[in-house]
Amino acid sequence: NAGVMQNPRHLVRRRGQEARLRCSPMKGHSHVYWYRQLPEEGLKFMVYLQKENIIDESGMPKERFSAEFPKEGPSILRIQQVVRGDSAAYFCASSPPAGVGDTQYFGPGTRLTVL
Amino acid sequence: GNSVTQMEGPVTLSEEAFLTINCTYTATGYPSLFWYVQYPGEGLQLLLKATKADDKGSNKGFEATYRKETTSFHLEKGSVQVSDSAVYFCALRYSGAGSYQLTFGKGTKLSVIP
Repeated sequence: NAGVMQNPRHLVRRRGQEARLRCSPMKGHSHVYWYRQLPEEGLKFMVYLQKENIIDESGMPKERFSAEFPKEGPSILRIQQVVRGDSAAYFCASSPPAGVGDTQYFGPGTRLTVL
Repeated sequence: GNSVTQMEGPVTLSEEAFLTINCTYTATGYPSLFWYVQYPGEGLQLLLKATKADDKGSNKGFEATYRKETTSFHLEKGSVQVSDSAVYFCALRYSGAGSYQLTFGKGTKLSVIP
């Protein structure tokens, strides 16, 4: 059973460009979580999604950031008009549909660098 | 709000040395506590967890005991190996509504030398 997959692993963007980060949850998992890790910091919760629904986006910046988890395909974290402060590692985690609170399995992360 | 504080790294130990990584937390209610490990170039893996006071989580020779009186969840291992070199994250998940967010410490990098 493949683990959580994220791509790309490394992404370089110039200021003002868009960044799209993809996350494929483990097989059979329908809950996806996105976390951001700034340099020298721990991971911070951003958003929790189930298929076609955003359950909690309380950790998402109000502007430029959006997330989706369509019925088919991976979850996408989209950052519009990137700025240098968006440079970070973005981790996706998934958990099975048995209910919230189950163990979250993490992907390897996408390292975003904004020039 | 909820927060996790873990000891600053990096920590460098010789093989077979005893390891302690301190972790304390601030939370409302009775959170669940976790240790995650991140090996170079990989994602975070759950190492162990404890869901109530006095529970002891253990895995791969690592142990941590949920101490409510000191709000701590220190990670210990009696004899580390070179393969234990990684970054270790302490985390909590609080017990109230919306209990799915993990709150992480900043991580402690461990290097074990032969």
